[in-house]
Amino acid sequence: GAGVSQSPSNKVTEKGKDVELRCDPISGHTALYWYRQSLGQGLEFLIYFQGNSAPDKSGLPSDRFSAERTGGSVSTLTIQRTQQEDSAVYLCASSLAQGNNQPQHFGDGTRLSIL
Amino acid sequence: AQRVTQPEKLLSVFKGAPVELKCNYSYSGSPELFWYVQYSRQRLQLLLRHISRESIKGFTADLNKGETSFHLKKPFAQEEDSAMYYCALSHLSSNDYKLSFGAGTTVTVRA
Repeated sequence: GAGVSQSPSNKVTEKGKDVELRCDPISGHTALYWYRQSLGQGLEFLIYFQGNSAPDKSGLPSDRFSAERTGGSVSTLTIQRTQQEDSAVYLCASSLAQGNNQPQHFGDGTRLSIL
Repeated sequence: AQRVTQPEKLLSVFKGAPVELKCNYSYSGSPELFWYVQYSRQRLQLLLRHISRESIKGFTADLNKGETSFHLKKPFAQEEDSAMYYCALSHLSSNDYKLSFGAGTTVTVRA
């Protein structure tokens, strides 16, 4: 595909369940970012990958959140024991390389609703 | 810490009128500033960045380091400009790559 692809587009789950969100970056993009867009909080950075390593996990809100990236491509964001405050749109972005001279391209996001 | 402030949550203008979206930032180093736009039912996309010094879709934004501002302007708004606009900051010439976003401004252009 031409752009960043995220799945599922919508996810509704019960409090306490685990969820896994997927991001497929643009081919050849080595840098990958996860952000969260929630009501009243705006867009918050969660984690950054360069290749398969995550040099910055500072935005992850709790140890219930984790992410991995394999093969320098697809990334998954996992939320364990979901809480209602986890409800948000989770956005993934990718760029050609680490650094500010490469713009970040965003996916459509996954809308997560915790009941 | 870096912070981006967009004081207006909502902005409504008539078609053909000028529009200005305010953005102020706080950062001690050399920031790079961006404007991102999200049209209805579309993904977030880059509108422009200060380092490029270009006009996109009639929009311009000038980085004013003295006032720590990066306001977005368009002299004649069009209905297709109705969207959510986010100002964002990243650190220039360093490994601090993540974007810090403002809260966003929803622009409605009325006929």
